[in-house]
Amino acid sequence: DIQMTQSPSSLSASVGDRVTITCRASQSISNYLNWYQHKPGKAPILLIYAASSLQSGVPSRFSGSGSGTDFTLTISSLQPEDFATYYCQQSYSTALTFGGGTKVEIK
Amino acid sequence: QVQLVESGGGVVQPGRSLRLSCAASGFTFSSFAMHWVRQAPGKGLEWVAFISFDGSNKYYADSVKGRLTISRDISKNTLYLQMNSLRTEDTAVYFCARDSWRGVIVSNFFDYWGQGTLVTVSS
Repeated sequence: DIQMTQSPSSLSASVGDRVTITCRASQSISNYLNWYQHKPGKAPILLIYAASSLQSGVPSRFSGSGSGTDFTLTISSLQPEDFATYYCQQSYSTALTFGGGTKVEIK
Repeated sequence: QVQLVESGGGVVQPGRSLRLSCAASGFTFSSFAMHWVRQAPGKGLEWVAFISFDGSNKYYADSVKGRLTISRDISKNTLYLQMNSLRTEDTAVYFCARDSWRGVIVSNFFDYWGQGTLVTVSS
């Protein structure tokens, strides 16, 4: 299976900060990389698909980049509602896998 | 609007069985592939199983292959996960999720999720 490694596993940031989360695949996955936001007790939300395409309804402060094995999720100006855990997920192979998650906490 | 509502979770002893359901509404259920994803306590998300829009193709994570079975009933707009020979490591919140693309071509990413149902495997 393709292993997905996210870093950092957690971070503390303030409202208005620029936040960057990275995701590395154990092999090349082209642009088959997706990002989700998850809050406790809630349904996860698709933010970015195909590495850089913004899902309909998602604020433009979220953006994604990368291809091959290295990917980035950026939140340009962190808002109070953005404190959550973020996961990358590869859709390159039928054995779908997620990264371990990055918890974004309030500084 | 699209809604996915899971049910059927609970406490079960190791080795026993449980069936989860996911009631779908607000979209043409028969046109979309569906998935189950789980989250063990304090852990991240883990994809569990996939079923194509017409039920003809199914894929499973190695960790559940041979024990968990995904199925769907188009007439009831419901997705199922039959869980047999349960193990303590199957303890998790189980989410159903819709594949983002309709029809034969599968996206393998998830645009709508339910809120999950908790399965606890314990003696």
